[in-house]
Amino acid sequence: DTAVSQTPKYLVTQMGNDKSIKCEQNLGHDTMYWYKQDSKKFLKIMFSYNNKELIINETVPNRFSPKSPDKAHLNLHINSLELGDSAVYFCASSSHLTEAFFGQGTRLTVV
Amino acid sequence: GNSVTQMEGPVTLSEEAFLTINCTYTATGYPSLFWYVQYPGEGLQLLLKATKADDKGSNKGFEATYRKETTSFHLEKGSVQVSDSAVYFCALSLYRSNDYKLSFGAGTTVTVRA
Repeated sequence: DTAVSQTPKYLVTQMGNDKSIKCEQNLGHDTMYWYKQDSKKFLKIMFSYNNKELIINETVPNRFSPKSPDKAHLNLHINSLELGDSAVYFCASSSHLTEAFFGQGTRLTVV
Repeated sequence: GNSVTQMEGPVTLSEEAFLTINCTYTATGYPSLFWYVQYPGEGLQLLLKATKADDKGSNKGFEATYRKETTSFHLEKGSVQVSDSAVYFCALSLYRSNDYKLSFGAGTTVTVRA
């Protein structure tokens, strides 16, 4: 069983479109995250949710909106996609007892 | 703020060579320290961790010791294999009541040649 799963794995879309990336974890964790990895492999946190409540919102354009329907899911919706949004997006989860576990990533390419 | 500085790559080694990747950190309080590994085309996996000073984390032949006096957490492996080719990330976390936010270093790409 995959602990943290993201869909889709690859996403190619045109500028201006709206897209969503889904994330689910079956570890029973109460905190979930979205990280962005740029072309130089640098990782930066975007959002963190604890028990469906937003607790970290780094400097991210408001075109990015996370949504957490329940503790096991944290989706990322992106409006009006731009070329600079091309990156790999990682979902992760953790609890007060464990370190973060990461999904396989979603490679977003905006053309 | 909290930050991690790690040795820049890329690093290219021959099989059975000794690998060291330097990592130093800046943090308020007492962070936990981690090494994550990213194999080509995959997500991040925890390689090892240490939660307090002088702890040594180890896994798959890799080791790192939490050195508070030098604020370092250097990764070492005595004899690398081709399968160790990956990007290695040093990270720290100051656990608060409700999140485990990780601050990552820039990553070091390691290539091991047969």
